[in-house]
Amino acid sequence: DSGVTQTPKHLITATGQRVTLRCSPRSGDLSVYWYQQSLDQGLQFLIQYYNGEERAKGNILERFSAQQFPDLHSELNLSSLELGDSALYFCASSVGRAWTEQFFGPGTRLTVL
Amino acid sequence: LAKTTQPISMDSYEGQEVNITCSHNNIATNDYITWYQQFPSQGPRFIIQGYKTKVTNEVASLFIPADRKSSTLSLPRVSLSDTAVYYCLVGDWGLDKIIFGKGTRLHILP
Repeated sequence: DSGVTQTPKHLITATGQRVTLRCSPRSGDLSVYWYQQSLDQGLQFLIQYYNGEERAKGNILERFSAQQFPDLHSELNLSSLELGDSALYFCASSVGRAWTEQFFGPGTRLTVL
Repeated sequence: LAKTTQPISMDSYEGQEVNITCSHNNIATNDYITWYQQFPSQGPRFIIQGYKTKVTNEVASLFIPADRKSSTLSLPRVSLSDTAVYYCLVGDWGLDKIIFGKGTRLHILP
């Protein structure tokens, strides 16, 4: 158990819908990272927040957005969902800004029908 | 981020020592080398990190030659449960884009 929690574990929705994925980092960790992993794309970095502020942005679509709240939990919002958005979404956290030692959550499996 | 090259897949047998090599010819002075392990449908797990020479922890060893253009992750006496994908990442602390790449699929046979 990494100490990072993600909810929900599974999510099934339809195209065009909007969903919110939630992540609670390990106690004391200030950075939160979001990743998308699909079969054909591998593990793709989406975005990083550090202490409430966006720090780094990867291959995140404009239909996706994220935020980190004062209590340091984070949410990833996915809108206008398409079939291709079906994937495992992982959240990770680290103590500081440095990305190198991250602790990953169990993931949320999103299925778009 | 320094580009890394790893074998796509490897097979080995239980009880053997497994060495996975990662090439990173354009590694920068401030870059660290980090390895992650990922089991199916789970998030990656940090294994080990190093800058130069040799680093060892309870799970693995990391060998880095003097020129730092490659690194080798060594897993001693593997078991079936070591079957996973292993990722090599190279970058400095301030990196603003994280690339895991395809990794090496390690398959341990009985």
